[in-house]
Amino acid sequence: EPEVTQTPSHQVTQMGQEVILRCVPISNHLYFYWYRQILGQKVEFLVSFYNNEISEKSEIFDDQFSVERPDGSNFTLKIRSTKLEDSAMYFCASGGPGGYGYTFGSGTRLTVV
Amino acid sequence: AQKITQTQPGMFVQEKEAVTLDCTYDTSDPSYGLFWYKQPSSGEMIFLIYQGSYDQQNATEGRYSLNFQKARKSANLVISASQLGDSAMYFCAMREGPSNYQLIWGAGTKLIIKP
Repeated sequence: EPEVTQTPSHQVTQMGQEVILRCVPISNHLYFYWYRQILGQKVEFLVSFYNNEISEKSEIFDDQFSVERPDGSNFTLKIRSTKLEDSAMYFCASGGPGGYGYTFGSGTRLTVV
Repeated sequence: AQKITQTQPGMFVQEKEAVTLDCTYDTSDPSYGLFWYKQPSSGEMIFLIYQGSYDQQNATEGRYSLNFQKARKSANLVISASQLGDSAMYFCAMREGPSNYQLIWGAGTKLIIKP
């Protein structure tokens, strides 16, 4: 069964450093998303991406965040200068048309120290 | 106001019993979708079942079924014949509007299956 692949599974970074989280969505999907889940809290939407541009973003997705689909297969989330409160599980998801079938990756657990 | 409400923070259920996890939602959009996901302790998010607002029948997927009561705005997940491996967090989520829109999530229910 097709799956969404995220790397790395865990990342520890120093506060103020830049991190790039990587995702390979399902190949025939057109919509791509990043969500995050702070430990013990609910899942929060960050951004959606379609046709090589951001289609929707939340208040969390400020200037410190950016997304890119550099080569037609990878989908990346960059955090420019990490803060302690960025520590969370970050999920990539992809979806096809029709409202059914958001497939999530296994997540990247980011710890900012 | 909360868009997705899961009123059960935690539940204990005896193995092999059926379990119902509650979810109520709030939307004025006539087109929406409701999702249930399972998150084991390892952290990944596993899709379980989907119900569209225009679907006439309740969704079923193996041991999972969705008790969709549109007038009450509830979308409860029913797990039949629970197994120890069902112990996990369960999240209800809703997509309002077109198919590519974001998911709005509930706070989750921690389900523990007792042997």
